Amino acid sequence: DTGVSQNPRHKITKRGQNVTFRCDPISEHNRLYWYRQTLGQGPEFLTYFQNEAQLEKSRLLSDRFSAERPKGSFSTLEIQRTEQGDSAMYLCASSSPDLGGRQWNTEAFFGQGTRLTVV
Amino acid sequence: AQSVTQLDSQVPVFEEAPVELRCNYSSSVSVYLFWYVQYPNQGLQLLLKYLSGSTLVKGINGFEAEFNKSQTSFHLRKPSVHISDTAEYFCAVRIQGAQKLVFGQGTRLTINP
Repeated sequence: DTGVSQNPRHKITKRGQNVTFRCDPISEHNRLYWYRQTLGQGPEFLTYFQNEAQLEKSRLLSDRFSAERPKGSFSTLEIQRTEQGDSAMYLCASSSPDLGGRQWNTEAFFGQGTRLTVV
Repeated sequence: AQSVTQLDSQVPVFEEAPVELRCNYSSSVSVYLFWYVQYPNQGLQLLLKYLSGSTLVKGINGFEAEFNKSQTSFHLRKPSVHISDTAEYFCAVRIQGAQKLVFGQGTRLTINP
């Protein structure tokens, strides 16, 4: 396993178009996270899955954004009717519960991100 | 709500000089603390984390950080930097029992020869 994989690495789209990104977490990791990073800023949390259940969503995740993890493995993030303000790096991360059941003691491993440019 | 402030947006240093990247946080509940590094066009890599125990934490690439609860700080240090340390560094907190990370705005470390 080579880590968290995100595709595509880069996406240029016209305003108003829909885009979909994919994230493949590290195998056996049951937690998956999406973050957005705009230029010159730190990543901001968007949403989090445990297995196939979406357990938390940020207020940043407007109605145009939807994330899925149908089989508890890979995840997709779709943005409908893209706007120029959606231009950012979209980061995916995954983590696994500690074997001792101490679920707080886990590290999130990040993918290389998908850079979206809306023109 | 939690927040993280990285006091310096950019830090230029000469190669082999020591460096300190400052991080302060605000939270009404106990948090875990992290430092991540991001190289150009890459994702984030964990440098080190503080969960409990000794307040001095050692990480990868010769970095270390000290947790100071009274000053709500978690400053990152390295005694001697290398050109390859040029990157963006992010401090982050996570509430105990929660999952999401809250990041600071980042500090760009530039190493001059």
